Amino acid sequence: AQKVTQAQTEISVVEKEDVTLDCVYETRDTTYYLFWYKQPPSGELVFLIRRNSFDEQNEISGRYSWNFQKSTSSFNFTITASQVVDSAVYFCALRAGRGGSNYKLTFGKGTLLTVNP
Amino acid sequence: GAGVSQSPSNKVTEKGKDVELRCDPISGHTALYWYRQSLGQGLEFLIYFQGNSAPDKSGLPSDRFSAERTGGSVSTLTIQRTQQEDSAVYLCASRPGLWDEKLFFGSGTQLSVL
Repeated sequence: AQKVTQAQTEISVVEKEDVTLDCVYETRDTTYYLFWYKQPPSGELVFLIRRNSFDEQNEISGRYSWNFQKSTSSFNFTITASQVVDSAVYFCALRAGRGGSNYKLTFGKGTLLTVNP
Repeated sequence: GAGVSQSPSNKVTEKGKDVELRCDPISGHTALYWYRQSLGQGLEFLIYFQGNSAPDKSGLPSDRFSAERTGGSVSTLTIQRTQQEDSAVYLCASRPGLWDEKLFFGSGTQLSVL
């Protein structure tokens, strides 16, 4: 079975602060994919990133960066110089197994990030 | 529109009534998911459709829940004899194909059972 834990239920920061959202996953599969999705107040989840289990290289996209560490089963997400528009619920998700047959994403409970001006 | 469309956006119903929730996926997307999001909870998988294959219904919480996908496009999630614990946001997502990882979500239907 797969499990995703986002221990931080809510985080509140002031604009321009850096913030890290934690994600810890569990799976017995050696092939798996990790995701982050953003859910703004409008409700529509938006894909942010996908990483596969064979690529531990960290990734940076503008103010966003992701730290994937297999040794600790973590896939943390950092927003640098946060902005009010970053306020949203952020979900970490896991899909385990090879190929298209294992298609279910297991989501964490999400972290509500509030960025105050 | 270009995105996944769900209707209605809000539905208030009385306990015991049946409800139907609709999802129009992005044109050409072969995979379609239904998820449920309850307050303070993550997204709970309900059902998955892929092309003409038999759907994976393993996430449906009870036999009061059913879903169909007609013509490989529009999907309807039906909840019979609604209960208060069914109150949640029901999210639909589609994916271009078997090998494309990105899900495109609709804005959801907020269901409130009184």
